[in-house]
Amino acid sequence: DADVTQTPRNRITKTGKRIMLECSQTKGHDRMYWYRQDPGLGLRLIYYSFDVKDINKGEISDGYSVSRQAQAKFSLSLESAIPNQTALYFCATSEGGYSYEQYFGPGTRLTVT
Amino acid sequence: AQKITQTQPGMFVQEKEAVTLDCTYDTSDPSYGLFWYKQPSSGEMIFLIYQGSYDQQNATEGRYSLNFQKARKSANLVISASQLGDSAMYFCAMREVTAYSGAGSYQLTFGKGTKLSVIP
Repeated sequence: DADVTQTPRNRITKTGKRIMLECSQTKGHDRMYWYRQDPGLGLRLIYYSFDVKDINKGEISDGYSVSRQAQAKFSLSLESAIPNQTALYFCATSEGGYSYEQYFGPGTRLTVT
Repeated sequence: AQKITQTQPGMFVQEKEAVTLDCTYDTSDPSYGLFWYKQPSSGEMIFLIYQGSYDQQNATEGRYSLNFQKARKSANLVISASQLGDSAMYFCAMREVTAYSGAGSYQLTFGKGTKLSVIP
């Protein structure tokens, strides 16, 4: 089984709808992250969390919110989806310390029409 | 200013040849880490190699090596003996210890990527 899972894997939704993307991990890591990837722009950080009580905004948090329900679960919500939020969304986890790589989930491809 | 610059949007390499993917970075933090990830067409992000700012030797992982030139702030990925399965997007990323609000977020800052195509 994958260490980092994301649901759904693909989603098409309409402008104005609320949508939640979920992430679960079995690696036992405290640190979790949400990124979005747009063509030609690489990955950009939306939110990150060091533990259940520590959630921080990333580079592009406007229009998004998150919830850290447990050490293993980190959800990303789009309160009112808009077309320019169409992107590939990745959840990632890591151990503490700057030398540790981040482990990525398989990604959720979101399309807002 | 971009923190991570990958100047090659796309590259071609003949199968079994070596290829170098360029990455330059910008930081004033003395402690940082540099990472390379591979993203095949299926979309997942695969960690390849890591180099710490204090590491004296260049990192190697199988066919991957990182040519780390600290004074030039470059961290180029070298893939030896290219295989067809190496065709993918490659991203360079950096983690700064004291980045982002001075709180040490440990987040990764990514470049825009290089698309590598291996020709049979």
